[in-house]
Amino acid sequence: GAGVSQSPSNKVTEKGKDVELRCDPISGHTALYWYRQSLGQGLEFLIYFQGNSAPDKSGLPSDRFSAERTGGSVSTLTIQRTQQEDSAVYLCASSLDTRAFFGQGTRLTVV
Amino acid sequence: GESVGLHLPTLSVQEGDNSIINCAYSNSASDYFIWYKQESGKGPQFIIDIRSNMDKRQGQRVTVLLNKTVKHLSLQIAATQPGDSAVYFCAEIYGQNFVFGPGTRLSVLP
Repeated sequence: GAGVSQSPSNKVTEKGKDVELRCDPISGHTALYWYRQSLGQGLEFLIYFQGNSAPDKSGLPSDRFSAERTGGSVSTLTIQRTQQEDSAVYLCASSLDTRAFFGQGTRLTVV
Repeated sequence: GESVGLHLPTLSVQEGDNSIINCAYSNSASDYFIWYKQESGKGPQFIIDIRSNMDKRQGQRVTVLLNKTVKHLSLQIAATQPGDSAVYFCAEIYGQNFVFGPGTRLSVLP
């Protein structure tokens, strides 16, 4: 596609439920990043995929968070047993070299 | 990639004035820097970039200055307009490792 696509754009879930957020990066981009952004805050790094290398998971806040990237393309961020503090916008970005392009984000609300 | 910090300082400027947004970066080995603009409800969008072998780069109404001695980056916006109201992030890049600054919210006053 022309840009990074994320789905859903909005997700409301009940506390304790699992959610999956999807990211379709720009075709051919080898690097993919997930960030979390709470209301009015900066970008919190979550996880980074680069080609076939092991992902950098150092930003994942707890073991309830996991992500995978299948076939070097689409990525899914999974949050298990969601908590209210997980409410935020989850942003995905991809890059081929030095410039990262962001999707519009998924706004997650845990009620 | 990681964020330096999550607090969001705010800069308020009068419409028509020049804006200067500052950013301190952490890694002297970073060889590429980008400024992103994030409008409400949208993902960050690329504004301008600069390589470490330069100290200044100009775009349309925007200028980025790089001071490697003190590891400081700034974004200057000339004749600030209401449409410039947004959150601005700097990013330092080494390899494909992106490190974002905490962001600055720019508010343009009428």
